[in-house]
Amino acid sequence: GESVGLHLPTLSVQEGDNSIINCAYSNSASDYFIWYKQESGKGPQFIIDIRSNMDKRQGQRVTVLLNKTVKHLSLQIAATQPGDSAVYFCAEIGYGGSQGNLIFGKGTKLSVKP
Amino acid sequence: EAGVAQSPRYKIIEKRQSVAFWCNPISGHATLYWYQQILGQGPKLLIQFQNNGVVDDSQLPKDRFSAERLKGVDSTLKIQPAKLEDSAVYLCASSLMDLNTEAFFGQGTRLTVV
Repeated sequence: GESVGLHLPTLSVQEGDNSIINCAYSNSASDYFIWYKQESGKGPQFIIDIRSNMDKRQGQRVTVLLNKTVKHLSLQIAATQPGDSAVYFCAEIGYGGSQGNLIFGKGTKLSVKP
Repeated sequence: EAGVAQSPRYKIIEKRQSVAFWCNPISGHATLYWYQQILGQGPKLLIQFQNNGVVDDSQLPKDRFSAERLKGVDSTLKIQPAKLEDSAVYLCASSLMDLNTEAFFGQGTRLTVV
């Protein structure tokens, strides 16, 4: 099965609220993680990444948290906007049998209510 | 800079027919990926190239799928013969290097097999 998964398949938030999207991974050897945003009819778009030597990284309105102890990753979006509506995937760089390639989870669909 | 280009955008074929997809990665990107994304799921890696060599094709159904990147730049993915379950979006991505670097995705080719 997939080594990267998501706790919630859908998330609905009010415009202006903060969003938190969660992700669990199973490969403790992975040391690079990426969050992608995919809008309908488009390819995944890079949002933010984090390496395993960090536990937090901030971008513009987005923050990624990494908890290696429980192998958990989260994406926080501040002041969620309608344009943030999309499917969000976490991905990890897998090792061993999948050396150096991105392994994606199933995704969380974020819907922003005006 | 120009992004990853894919063609065609859409393709409808009958089962047992053949189909080919084309990808032009970002200039200078050594690594090229082909992913299959079935509706409602995350992208699944089919094959990864480093320049014109195959790094990982462990999840490529080799009885019907083939891919090549002869000059280390453009790549083609072929399905012959197609099955109904091949209906999906086929995404091409490229990155500068294979490990721990961001992959940029094209818009994908939506294949429908009827």
